[in-house]
Amino acid sequence: GAVVSQHPSRVICKSGTSVKIECRSLDFQATTMFWYRQFPKQSLMLMATSNEGSKATYEQGVEKDKFLINHASLTLSTLTVTSAHPEDSSFYICSASMETSGGHLGTETQYFGPGTRLLVL
Amino acid sequence: DAKTTQPTSMDCAEGRAANLPCNHSTISGNEYVYWYRQIHSQGPQYIIHGLKNNETNEMASLIITEDRKSSTLILPHATLRDTAVYYCIVRDSNYQLIWGAGTKLIIKP
Repeated sequence: GAVVSQHPSRVICKSGTSVKIECRSLDFQATTMFWYRQFPKQSLMLMATSNEGSKATYEQGVEKDKFLINHASLTLSTLTVTSAHPEDSSFYICSASMETSGGHLGTETQYFGPGTRLLVL
Repeated sequence: DAKTTQPTSMDCAEGRAANLPCNHSTISGNEYVYWYRQIHSQGPQYIIHGLKNNETNEMASLIITEDRKSSTLILPHATLRDTAVYYCIVRDSNYQLIWGAGTKLIIKP
């Protein structure tokens, strides 16, 4: 259980184009999904938190107009990198949150997708 | 900033138990400790989490000290496939995971 998928697994695009990444929770409903970015040899950095049916909350320094997040259902969130540039090349990872400890506040566990490697030429 | 400190790297012989320590001296009473691992070029994999009691599942055991200021993740019989970066995380007040550098665990044949 608790499987999260991402599509595509890797993408190469030209500078200036837009890229959409899908994140799906396959066997559970996730009220909250998260988007992370990871540069080589660095740890994960949270980009935004997305709740179904509402606007995403972006971390400081993350441009919301550049990284568009849509969370239209309890099983699907999408991240669109608009007008991508080489500096946007990175490993993008999503996670979906599921409550796992009998309803105790703050015990949602995040399950991660396999990641999407983006290379902008 | 991450609320945990872990050794940068550790080695363990295949078949032996791997014990990964984590310090979280500023943990609050209702904060859980989570462990994830990340194998190269993959998304993080959930391992286990706990509050104050020791926990065990099919992957690992989590031992939390009585004062909750530190914990140890135990992989009972390490295999080569357990080579990964292991992250110990105490969630912040916004229930977000703040990722530190983790411990790079290398399992040697």
